[in-house]
Amino acid sequence: AQSVAQPEDQVNVAEGNPLTVKCTYSVSGNPYLFWYVQYPNRGLQFLLKYITGDNLVKGSYGFEAEFNKSQTSFHLKKPSALVSDSALYFCAVRGSGGSYIPTFGRGTSLIVHP
Amino acid sequence: NAGVTQTPKFQVLKTGQSMTLQCAQDMNHEYMSWYRQDPGMGLRLIHYSVGAGITDQGEVPNGYNVSRSTTEDFPLRLLSAAPSQTSVYFCASSSGQPAYEQYFGPGTRLTVT
Repeated sequence: AQSVAQPEDQVNVAEGNPLTVKCTYSVSGNPYLFWYVQYPNRGLQFLLKYITGDNLVKGSYGFEAEFNKSQTSFHLKKPSALVSDSALYFCAVRGSGGSYIPTFGRGTSLIVHP
Repeated sequence: NAGVTQTPKFQVLKTGQSMTLQCAQDMNHEYMSWYRQDPGMGLRLIHYSVGAGITDQGEVPNGYNVSRSTTEDFPLRLLSAAPSQTSVYFCASSSGQPAYEQYFGPGTRLTVT
């Protein structure tokens, strides 16, 4: 069975500071890893994904994520946070073992303070 | 492309009433799914489909039915609404290959009184 853990319900950061939102996973076979963002009263939007290749993946709005196979982690990062980055962030995993079903983490609320 | 569309945006039901939440996508995606989102619970999978005519249960299927007669449409039926079904419902679609991301609809906010 596959699983995703987002250990922090909420992350607080000051505008201009770097941010990290943590995600660890468990899956059979090679992982396909995703980050989504949800703004208030909206559906989830895709941010970035790791399929294979470079461990550092760049995505939308200046976000990037680092894949670490030995630590089974896929942390979301941004060098300089904006107030407009405040949202709910979800990590998800799909296994290469043939399952169509992605598994989502519980979400982390990112609050960027002016 | 409209992407994934959901109707209605808001709905209030009385306990025991039935209704259908509509979901449609115009991207020719094989995989479609329904989630509910509740505070502190993240996204929970209700039902999913890997193609027309094929559906399966997710994590929380009780009280819901689905069908997939076409690639484009994946309606979710509440058979007899209960207050515990008060939630925000999201439909999503994607290519069937695991390397592809999901596209989400804007959601339906359902209140059952």
